[in-house]
Amino acid sequence: AQKITQTQPGMFVQEKEAVTLDCTYDTSDPSYGLFWYKQPSSGEMIFLIYQGSYDQQNATEGRYSLNFQKARKSANLVISASQLGDSAMYFCAMREGSLPADRGSTLGRLYFGRGTQLTVWP
Amino acid sequence: DGGITQSPKYLFRKEGQNVTLSCEQNLNHDAMYWYRQDPGQGLRLIYYSQIVNDFQKGDIAEGYSVSREKKESFPLTVTSAQKNPTAFYLCASSIGPPILYNEQFFGPGTRLTVL
Repeated sequence: AQKITQTQPGMFVQEKEAVTLDCTYDTSDPSYGLFWYKQPSSGEMIFLIYQGSYDQQNATEGRYSLNFQKARKSANLVISASQLGDSAMYFCAMREGSLPADRGSTLGRLYFGRGTQLTVWP
Repeated sequence: DGGITQSPKYLFRKEGQNVTLSCEQNLNHDAMYWYRQDPGQGLRLIYYSQIVNDFQKGDIAEGYSVSREKKESFPLTVTSAQKNPTAFYLCASSIGPPILYNEQFFGPGTRLTVL
């Protein structure tokens, strides 16, 4: 089963509007962290925002916020006031476990979704 | 400036040749990772290393090999046994221990094309 599912291959939004990118996850671990990364056409991965499973409030970072619904296992990224420079691929990712990884364990690795291509038009 | 460097940015090789992709970081991070990205796909983990002289296979390790002799360096060799090596390869690192909120920092990537 996929640990991270992003169901929107592509999204379009007009400049200055808000947009929500969907992400659902699958884990039985009570401790986990959720990440969003942005990948412009140049290819580098840029960290945007983090949400921990025990965090009481939704994470926010500038124009980015995470709509975390634990019961639904969803962690949607909301971008407010979209800009042309927001056009990129966006990836949701998850890390499981809250303890430091033992040697040889899989803790620490990230599981990525397939991404959503966001296009912002003027 | 601290960061992760990958070289070269573009790499062309003939089928059947081994090729080594470089990844260097000066962030003093313990953990390093190699991912492969194909068009329309997310990142798939090839190998990762939590400390020097230790590494583990990821989801798609067949046809690849790595070494971690120095903390700063985690080179990836794409061998002739890899059936479809043409892809975009990303190296990443994170501060150790790899606890939940430690983000991974990524290099600029190497685009490998096998002719």
